[in-house]
Amino acid sequence: KAGVTQTPRYLIKTRGQQVTLSCSPISGHRSVSWYQQTPGQGLQFLFEYFSETQRNKGNFPGRFSGRQFSNSRSEMNVSTLELGDSALYLCASSFGDSGANVLTFGAGSRLTVL
Amino acid sequence: DAKTTQPPSMDCAEGRAANLPCNHSTISGNEYVYWYRQIHSQGPQYIIHGLKNNETNEMASLIITEDRKSSTLILPHATLRDTAVYYCIGNNFNKFYFGSGTKLNVKP
Repeated sequence: KAGVTQTPRYLIKTRGQQVTLSCSPISGHRSVSWYQQTPGQGLQFLFEYFSETQRNKGNFPGRFSGRQFSNSRSEMNVSTLELGDSALYLCASSFGDSGANVLTFGAGSRLTVL
Repeated sequence: DAKTTQPPSMDCAEGRAANLPCNHSTISGNEYVYWYRQIHSQGPQYIIHGLKNNETNEMASLIITEDRKSSTLILPHATLRDTAVYYCIGNNFNKFYFGSGTKLNVKP
């Protein structure tokens, strides 16, 4: 079966711009979560969506937002980009049910802010 | 929330067993322990998970202490391709907390 697909894989933006990243989950998965990975902070949880509703949120400023569509595809948006937003953004999908929940990660979108 | 502590790095000889420890003393009774690994900034790859009992799959074994405060991931016969950063994480209802992980260096 197809894995988690993230687009674009690489992008370069300048400070002050905004960016939208896309994630297509594994078919049948209703939960999509987003993570930011930087050398200094490691992997940090951004938010999780389940059935089009944000169910969990990490400690990131309001410039980071997301949404999920009825087909479970998800997008995240970062507005007013800062140099520190340069990172690998990872999306993961899962069934999202209670109990054990195995995440399947995409390859990531690498954002560089100049 | 389950915070985890892992040694920053470990070495292992190729063909030998790699035993990666993790401390998760704040884990609650219904939180699973998951292990993932990440190679060259690719997306993390799932390895194994457990709640109370020891688990084994085709990739690894997971040993969880009776008090659930720590666990050990065992790669029975490490290969060079197992060189990666290994994360032990807790899950609080779909909110996963990744620590700093352990960089496993498998050497020939």
